[in-house]
Amino acid sequence: NAGVIQTPRHKVTGKGQEATLWCEPISGHSAVFWYRQTIVQGLEFLTYFRNQAPIDDSGMPKERFSAQMPNQSHSTLKIQSTQPQDSAVYLCASSLDWGISNERLFFGHGTKLSVL
Amino acid sequence: GDQVKQSPSALSLQEGTNSALRCNFSIATTTVQWFLQNPRGSLMNLFYLVPGTKENGRLKSTFNSKESYSTLHIRDAQLEDSGTYFCAAEARGSSGNKLIFGIGTLLSVKP
Repeated sequence: NAGVIQTPRHKVTGKGQEATLWCEPISGHSAVFWYRQTIVQGLEFLTYFRNQAPIDDSGMPKERFSAQMPNQSHSTLKIQSTQPQDSAVYLCASSLDWGISNERLFFGHGTKLSVL
Repeated sequence: GDQVKQSPSALSLQEGTNSALRCNFSIATTTVQWFLQNPRGSLMNLFYLVPGTKENGRLKSTFNSKESYSTLHIRDAQLEDSGTYFCAAEARGSSGNKLIFGIGTLLSVKP
């Protein structure tokens, strides 16, 4: 079991460029979450999917941010026209049975996004 | 944020001593999870709790849903216990449940 895999580990973009972050959840897990971590705001919820369906995107900035889960083995977080304030560590997590029984969350190592 | 309040914000322990971290919740929650983020940034799940107590090695955690708090006890602290400890409460919303995190407790264990 490789755990939750996130790529890339580090990404540097110029202001106004697009960034796409990838997440591969633990095989068999039904829920995938995206969080953002900064020194100032701590760990902030962005969005989550269950059985590939978007359930709650209340934490996503309304403009420029979007998340997809095209199949059960990967999810992407896309940020268009990146801004310096988007710089953060973006964390993906998965859970076997979120909302039902086994809700333990397992995190990937994160993608550190730096917008210059 | 304010929905999950962790204390203390930072703690320094001598190796071999005991201590406790605490989370108070101002939101209704049915489950709690505790995580340790090591200096490299990896978040490790320590406990998933329904109301009650769980123990794992030198760690013991309790979740009291009636009084809206959870504690994490560390016994015989070791150098490798250093890192940031986060508690997270499961918040039920109209569009689903999500984990709300506290700001963390930075623990430094010294020899």
